[in-house]
This record gives sequence, C-alpha cells and structure tokens, in this order.
Amino acid sequence: KAGVTQTPRYLIKTRGQQVTLSCSPISGHRSVSWYQQTPGQGLQFLFEYFSETQRNKGNFPGRFSGRQFSNSRSEMNVSTLELGDSALYLCASSSLDRMGEQYFGPGTRLTVT
Amino acid sequence: GQQVMQIPQYQHVQEGEDFTTYCNSSTTLSNIQWYKQRPGGHPVFLIQLVKSGEVKKQKRLTFQFGEAKKNSSLHITATQTTDVGTYFCAGPEGGGADGLTFGKGTHLIIQP
Repeated sequence: KAGVTQTPRYLIKTRGQQVTLSCSPISGHRSVSWYQQTPGQGLQFLFEYFSETQRNKGNFPGRFSGRQFSNSRSEMNVSTLELGDSALYLCASSSLDRMGEQYFGPGTRLTVT
Repeated sequence: GQQVMQIPQYQHVQEGEDFTTYCNSSTTLSNIQWYKQRPGGHPVFLIQLVKSGEVKKQKRLTFQFGEAKKNSSLHITATQTTDVGTYFCAGPEGGGADGLTFGKGTHLIIQP
C-alpha cells in the first residue's frame, strides 16, 4: 500500500496570510490526525477527523481548522499566519478507532516570515 | 490535561552500548505507543502496549508497560548506528477522546 502523502512539502508564507495543507491517508484508513512539530514544543496534536467529522481537537486557536472529504483525504487550514506558526505539520492516518497506531506522512515544512 | 514526560532528553552512547528511555504519564493510560523519528524524517510507529506489565520485544528492542499503566520504557541492546534518532512515547488522552499526547522524545546519539 502507498503511504500517507502530504502536499506541499515546503511552503513559505508571510504573516497575515492563510495556508491550506493537504493529506491523503493510506487506502482504507478513515482516521486522519494532524500534528504540529516544533523544536520547543515537540509534537502537539491539532485535531482528528473520522468519516468526515472532527472527532477530537487539541488546544490550538480557532485559526487552525480542518476538514475531511468522503474519500478520507483531509485538508488543514491556518488563517492569519503568525511567526510562531512556523513548524513541521504532520498528518497521520489510522485504521483503528480511538487514536490507535498512527502512520505519519513526510510532513509539510511551513515557514512564516 | 494529561502530561507525558520522557527522560533523558539526550543520550550519547558508544556503538555497542545499551540505551534506555523512560516515559511517565500523569494519568493512567489505556495504551502506550512508541515511535522513532530519524533526523529529517517523520515519526514511524514501533509498537503499542495495552496490558498492565506487558513486555514486548522486537529484535534488540524491549518495550515495557508499567503495572499501573502510567509508565513505560524502551531498551535497546547493543546499539548500532542505524538506531540513531528520536524516540517518542505517546498515550491517548481522555481514553482517546482528546487526541494523542506525545512525550518530548529522547534523542539517541551514537558515537562509532
């Protein structure tokens, strides 16, 4: 099976702009989660989608949102970008219920200037 | 909210030496997962432990889940250069209803 794919792999944006990141899970996986990884805070959970519904949400401001489509592909949107949003954004899919083993994609490296 | 602490943050070993990283949760976990991230890569799932006191082995890696299901450890015997990377533990918060909480990871550096 093909792994989790994320696009784009690298992105440079300016403060105040918005960005949309895309994730295609492993075929058959219905759960898609998003994480932010920074050197200071480590890996932090953003949200999880299952069957097009947001099931879990981490402690991030409302500028961070997401959605999942009927084919399980997911998008994450960050509005009004801040310098502190610079991070590696990782998508992970799972075939299991309730935050089972996660299969991560290569990530999108976002730099906000 | 739940906190997952990992120690040490960094570990330097000579190739061939053993390595252990420890994970402690502030709450009882339904399961604990371990991941490895190579430099420049993404986290890769290693294993999931579910039962109290569970011990699982994968070649030179031994994983343990504490009796109280609040701590875990990963032990690598006779490290090799391919073991270089960051090892993370993670537990489902709120029984999974609130996402997965990761520890900050232990960076394993191996000197040949």
